[in-house]
Amino acid sequence: QSVLTQPPSVSAAPGQKVTISCSGSSSNIGNNYVSWYQQVPGTAPKLLIYDNNKRPSGIPDRFSGSKSGTSATLGITGVQTGDEADYYCGTWDSGLSAGVFGGGTKLTVL
Amino acid sequence: EVQLLESGGGFVQPGGSLRLSCVASGFTFSNYAINWVRQAPGKGLEWVSAIGGGGFNTYYADSVKGRFTISRDNSKNTLYLQMNSLRAEDTAVYYCARGLEINYWGQGTLVTVSS
Repeated sequence: QSVLTQPPSVSAAPGQKVTISCSGSSSNIGNNYVSWYQQVPGTAPKLLIYDNNKRPSGIPDRFSGSKSGTSATLGITGVQTGDEADYYCGTWDSGLSAGVFGGGTKLTVL
Repeated sequence: EVQLLESGGGFVQPGGSLRLSCVASGFTFSNYAINWVRQAPGKGLEWVSAIGGGGFNTYYADSVKGRFTISRDNSKNTLYLQMNSLRAEDTAVYYCARGLEINYWGQGTLVTVSS
């Protein structure tokens, strides 16, 4: 059971928009920055979003992040077949003094 | 360019030990906390441990506390994970990852615990 809760899967047709939610608590998302990672099976995770809503250089602006209270959301607009991957949210939990991740969400492009 | 290169994975019997290493380059190693994160086959990411830049502050997941020890040698830009009393459920790809807010990942090293 992950500390952060994500939907197991989402799907979208090419060109559509999709959102992935990440729910936590005041000890993690509520008081710390959230990051989002993309992982294509068989490869290492890659940072997509940091500090809740910032994109590293090289990440297209189709990817966005937001946070409200104890929940965070990853948005992907203009979904492409190359976006098919697993997506994870992550943050620090101040109560546990531990890093925490969501269980991951598999994006399927129909 | 930031690079993190793990090594030391392999096959070990239950109850055995392994030491993983992660050599870093492309940044001032001592300025950053570093994590170990693992991923069991077909499963999600699981945070394992972290160590502060100076090596004094260490943190562990409950699942490994008392069995794993994280350490670092800033003179060698190297992170370590000493894993003792290994169990089948420790089987995973182990990644080292930079920062308490992780922004770079290594490619991982596979640890298999089986009889």
